[in-house]
Amino acid sequence: DGGITQSPKYLFRKEGQNVTLSCEQNLNHDAMYWYRQDPGQGLRLIYYSQIVNDFQKGDIAEGYSVSREKKESFPLTVTSAQKNPTAFYLCASSPRDRGLYNEQFFGPGTRLTVL
Amino acid sequence: AQTVTQSQPEMSVQEAETVTLSCTYDTSESNYYLFWYKQPPSRQMILVIRQEAYKQQNATENRFSVNFQKAAKSFSLKISDSQLGDTAMYFCAFMNQGGSEKLVFGKGTKLTVNP
Repeated sequence: DGGITQSPKYLFRKEGQNVTLSCEQNLNHDAMYWYRQDPGQGLRLIYYSQIVNDFQKGDIAEGYSVSREKKESFPLTVTSAQKNPTAFYLCASSPRDRGLYNEQFFGPGTRLTVL
Repeated sequence: AQTVTQSQPEMSVQEAETVTLSCTYDTSESNYYLFWYKQPPSRQMILVIRQEAYKQQNATENRFSVNFQKAAKSFSLKISDSQLGDTAMYFCAFMNQGGSEKLVFGKGTKLTVNP
């Protein structure tokens, strides 16, 4: 089955620790995205990548880092510099190969809690 | 920068009735896309319906339809014959045509369908 997987589903971190959230897709999509969701808020874009070995900051990139070494994978690292990391994190991908519009497909998300 | 506003944090409707969720947006662009996403308790984001700004005809998907008013920058979602499975958060989102294809989300409306 093609799709987007995120692991783990729940993640706990102590203050001061870096943690990496996994996002893998087997849809052969070029573009991948990371969003953060907080209670009462919509999704906010952290980072996105339109092609391997290239990525851009979104609206709330401070305290986060990413890499895009493979087309299938776009891991997100939440660093100790992120002041309020407890949130729900969603990964998405899109094909970027069809005409005017490319739908974003979302993974199931990771709930990160800082203890 | 584009912004998306959903003025109804919560709404409820009786099963089989019709409900309309509101969304307004702000942009200086003329070519763009608008979306409604559903996020049920599982937290999986599901695309409900999309509208291309260059199309005057309102989009329809089964029981879901939109009222797109480009001059007023309004994009409401109508759910007909509401079902218990429609209970979810609903997010309105905006995407510029071309470029990075970033999604800008509203804060969401929590819809509860009562039996």
